Amino acid sequence: DTEVTQTPKHLVMGMTNKKSLKCEQHMGHRAMYWYKQKAKKPPELMFVYSYEKLSINESVPSRFSPECPNSSLLNLHLHALQPEDSALYLCASSQDDGTANSPLHFGNGTRLTVT
Amino acid sequence: EDQVTQSPEALRLQEGESSSLNCSYTVSGLRGLFWYRQDPGKGPEFLFTLYSAGEEKEKERLKATLTKKESFLHITAPKPEDSATYLCAALGGSTLGRLYFGRGTQLTVWP
Repeated sequence: DTEVTQTPKHLVMGMTNKKSLKCEQHMGHRAMYWYKQKAKKPPELMFVYSYEKLSINESVPSRFSPECPNSSLLNLHLHALQPEDSALYLCASSQDDGTANSPLHFGNGTRLTVT
Repeated sequence: EDQVTQSPEALRLQEGESSSLNCSYTVSGLRGLFWYRQDPGKGPEFLFTLYSAGEEKEKERLKATLTKKESFLHITAPKPEDSATYLCAALGGSTLGRLYFGRGTQLTVWP
């Protein structure tokens, strides 16, 4: 079992809905990440949090809004998404300060479908 | 341009037939090379980190090696449970915290 827990596992939402993805880790890691993965493609970095502060935003559209309430939790708020945003959203954490020098530990993702 | 290329895209092996997966990188200032295994519908699972040319790591039937331009993942006497997509990722370039992932090699091992 993965030590990074993501909920929900599956989510179907309409383009006018607002929803949130949640991620939790209890490994004491200081950095947390959001990645997006389309079918048969590699993961694409979206956001990096280091010590609960946003350190990297890979020019992600504002319809994706990350939040890090504390060192163990990471949320991704979704609003007015497009069908092309349908993908597997992966959360990860690492022991370093967001530089990814140490291995990333991934959750099993949330499979998002936008209708 | 910083990038990672994996080959082959897909590989089918008979159980017990050893082979290697390739990961070529052109990432400036490489700070680490990571191998992950990903099963369908799951997140990537960490396998190895390599930090310098000449370094080798082993785990069960897998062995990862690193040169200045590429990394290899050797699979010795694979079993059907080794079937998965193997991802390589390079850490480097100008953005701290940004991993450059390859597109992966989809490995199928049949009995």
